[in-house]
Amino acid sequence: SQQGEEDPQALSIQEGENATMNCSYKTSINNLQWYRQNSGRGLVHLILIRSNEREKHSGRLRVTLDTSKKSSSLLITASRAADTASYFCATDARGSGGSNYKLTFGKGTLLTVNP
Amino acid sequence: KAGVTQTPRYLIKTRGQQVTLSCSPISGHRSVSWYQQTPGQGLQFLFEYFSETQRNKGNFPGRFSGRQFSNSRSEMNVSTLELGDSALYLCASSLVVPGANVLTFGAGSRLTVL
Repeated sequence: SQQGEEDPQALSIQEGENATMNCSYKTSINNLQWYRQNSGRGLVHLILIRSNEREKHSGRLRVTLDTSKKSSSLLITASRAADTASYFCATDARGSGGSNYKLTFGKGTLLTVNP
Repeated sequence: KAGVTQTPRYLIKTRGQQVTLSCSPISGHRSVSWYQQTPGQGLQFLFEYFSETQRNKGNFPGRFSGRQFSNSRSEMNVSTLELGDSALYLCASSLVVPGANVLTFGAGSRLTVL
């Protein structure tokens, strides 16, 4: 079953605009991560936010986490055509030993940035 | 530093055959995870290995199996292939950092079952 669910499923914007993607999840987590995947390739890690953090920045990326609502958002500012990709949130759920030793991925948001 | 290497990159099999996929993790990474990615189901967790031990397994039938060797390289095997096994199989390795299990993915092995 999917732990994270991204919204929207697809997003199309113009270069220079900001893109916001949301993720909801169901169980308690150690951390939440965002990954990017270019068509048919492996995923690339973008950013990790721990359960005790509320906001984190990395370059043009800003991630927020609301554990009370079990949701996260990824903001990409000043988007570029090269940002065109699928974006996935992934949760590291808490297990009896501290981790279940797996990340559970949502189905992703397909972002298209038009030049 | 070399990334995660998966072989083969592409393969075509017929129903009933079996397939073995290989994954070489980043040097020093002792955890290896496998995922199946399909358009309908997205990324589904298969299993995770650490020091040759399977620590977690996803909800897949017994036809899907894996192992890890002492050098951390891993293989997964799918026996009696079905059409629905057509997918991109992704391997990822990670350092074991408490509370921060970040995955580095390979490019994947794309399996087509005819």
